[in-house]
Amino acid sequence: EVQLLESGGGLVQPGGSLSVSCEASGFPFSSYAMSWVRQAPGKGLEWVSAVGGGGGRTYYADSVRGRFTISRDNSKNGHFLQMNSLRVEDTAIYFCAKGPTYFHSSGTFTDWGQGVLVTVSS
Amino acid sequence: QSVVTQTPSASGTPGQRLSISCSGSSANIGKNTVSWYQHVVGAAPKLLIFSTNQRPSGVPDRFAGSKSGASASLAISGLQSEDEAHYYCSVWDDSLNGVIFGGGTKVTVL
Repeated sequence: EVQLLESGGGLVQPGGSLSVSCEASGFPFSSYAMSWVRQAPGKGLEWVSAVGGGGGRTYYADSVRGRFTISRDNSKNGHFLQMNSLRVEDTAIYFCAKGPTYFHSSGTFTDWGQGVLVTVSS
Repeated sequence: QSVVTQTPSASGTPGQRLSISCSGSSANIGKNTVSWYQHVVGAAPKLLIFSTNQRPSGVPDRFAGSKSGASASLAISGLQSEDEAHYYCSVWDDSLNGVIFGGGTKVTVL
C-alpha cells in the first residue's frame, strides 16, 4: 500500500523560510516523479512543484519559481520542498503527491498524503 | 496566462446523472490527457480518472471521463450522497511546462 507522510509545517513570518518533507513507502520510490500540490484556505488545488524520479529534472509553478526548491533523497525515500521568501499568500495545506511514471509530464497524481499546514503570518 | 475553467457548483438528486465540465485551450486540454480528482475537505484528494477516460482500480464505473477539443467532462451517473465533494480536473500545460488544475466544482446531492 502506498503511503505518503508529510511533515515540517508550521507558522512562519513573511519573508521567512520553511521546509516540508514527504516520507514515502509501499512503492519503488526512485521510479516515480513526486510533486507538491497546495490548497490555500477557501481556494482550490494548485500544483506547486515536481521532481523526476532521478532528482535531476525539476519543475515549478510561476508563483513559486525562484523562491521554492524541490529535491529528493532516493536512499531515504523522501522528497522535500524548501520554501524561502515566504508570502502571506503561500499559506496553504501542502500535499505530497506521487506521479504515475518516472517523468513528470502529466496532470496525474495517483496517490496523495494527508497534507501539512503552512501558515505565513506576522 | 493559461487557465482551465470549471463551473463552480453543480447539484442533483440521488440516482440522477450529473456532468461537470472543464474548459481549457490548445496548450493543455486540446493536446494532453486530463485527470479528475474527488476531494472532501479534510481528506486527501482521490484520483478518479486518468488519461482522460481511464479509471484506477477501485473507482466505480459510475464515474466516466471524456474530452472533445479543448474541453473535458466528468459524468457521474447514479448520483449518491457520498459523491458530495469538490471535483477538480488537471492537465499538463505545454506553454507553462507545468500542471494546471481547474478551479474546482462543488457537487451537492440534494
